[in-house]
Amino acid sequence: EAGVAQSPRYKIIEKRQSVAFWCNPISGHATLYWYQQILGQGPKLLIQFQNNGVVDDSQLPKDRFSAERLKGVDSTLKIQPAKLEDSAVYLCASNPPGGFTFYEQYFGPGTRLTVT
Amino acid sequence: GIQVEQSPPDLILQEGANSTLRCNFSDSVNNLQWFHQNPWGQLINLFYIPSGTKQNGRLSATTVATERYSLLYISSSQTTDSGVYFCAVDGYSGYALNFGKGTSLLVTP
Repeated sequence: EAGVAQSPRYKIIEKRQSVAFWCNPISGHATLYWYQQILGQGPKLLIQFQNNGVVDDSQLPKDRFSAERLKGVDSTLKIQPAKLEDSAVYLCASNPPGGFTFYEQYFGPGTRLTVT
Repeated sequence: GIQVEQSPPDLILQEGANSTLRCNFSDSVNNLQWFHQNPWGQLINLFYIPSGTKQNGRLSATTVATERYSLLYISSSQTTDSGVYFCAVDGYSGYALNFGKGTSLLVTP
């Protein structure tokens, strides 16, 4: 079974520019998460979707970050305008819709963003 | 939210040595996962273990849910085991993961 796909893998932009990241979860996984991992820290939740609805976006800096999952499958995370402190790895994860390991999350390879 | 503490923060081992990593958490959990983050940043699932004991090759894990801790055992360590090991629990109402700060492991030849 294919894993969580993310693109691009790397992105370098200047501050105040905009950037978008794409995630395609494992087929059939209804729940999708975006995490931000700053160097030297553990990942932190930005937003969680269940199908195409938002479950939790309390940690998302909504003045500059936005995310959508229009058809309940793939998702896009956007930053506009970017700041230096947004330099991080952006990780997408998903988990299966049911069963014994319902809560187990699977992570994509991440997008490493550098803001200069 | 649920707090996660990992120890030790750093660990240096010689190849062939064994090690134990610990994860303490502050409340009952539905999900506890151990991950290995390799030098390329990929988070690799090691164990999904909200309770009980599991083994996979040289790695094993035990979670004592009633006492709110989990242990990851690495036996006969290899240089490829180097990286950061994260423990994460469902720390949000929607079961999103709350990660510890990780244990950075370096295995030397």
